[in-house]
Amino acid sequence: DADVTQTPRNRITKTGKRIMLECSQTKGHDRMYWYRQDPGLGLRLIYYSFDVKDINKGEISDGYSVSRQAQAKFSLSLESAIPNQTALYFCATSDSARGGETETQYFGPGTRLLVL
Amino acid sequence: KNQVEQSPQSLIILEGKNCTLQCNYTVSPFSNLRWYKQDTGRGPVSLTIMTFSENTKSNGRYTATLDADTKQSSLHITASQLSDSASYICVVSSKLIFGAGTRLAVHP
Repeated sequence: DADVTQTPRNRITKTGKRIMLECSQTKGHDRMYWYRQDPGLGLRLIYYSFDVKDINKGEISDGYSVSRQAQAKFSLSLESAIPNQTALYFCATSDSARGGETETQYFGPGTRLLVL
Repeated sequence: KNQVEQSPQSLIILEGKNCTLQCNYTVSPFSNLRWYKQDTGRGPVSLTIMTFSENTKSNGRYTATLDADTKQSSLHITASQLSDSASYICVVSSKLIFGAGTRLAVHP
């Protein structure tokens, strides 16, 4: 969905390096999420934010941190990258005002990260 | 343990044929169940969503069913097209548990 953009789309880094993945949205949604996808596994939630001042850990937050700089921007950082963080990373947004329990998530195109 | 299991893992069908994908879950508490379509190299896109009280939902050639008693859902694709080739992911809330997906290939 072009309304949710992620940069970079592809990244190769070395073990121990700090990297940041960025997500921006023009949908005006209040909620944003970071997921990782590994082959043969479902998407797993890393962090989520329901508002600018709200940050919550997901299922697999260890080794990651996030920053919600504005309603439209949500960044994911790997403080010291390790090879098992090699994965496809997705950002998603949703609008809490639109659906209650049926609220739909809209995903970005993904960032493919390789940690050597 | 909260789990979502999808079957089959992969499926190949011929264009024009129908197919059914399965999703079994043990997520509690249950809020809703969604099916997403994920094209290669892209993010998932929502197809259908069903709450506890709904047992069927259609979106064009896609029809999802839900049996909350047996905790099973299916996604039926009618008259498949080449563009249906993708991964189909079942997601169960309220804990946003994603299945690993079924990879569907539609061949001419």
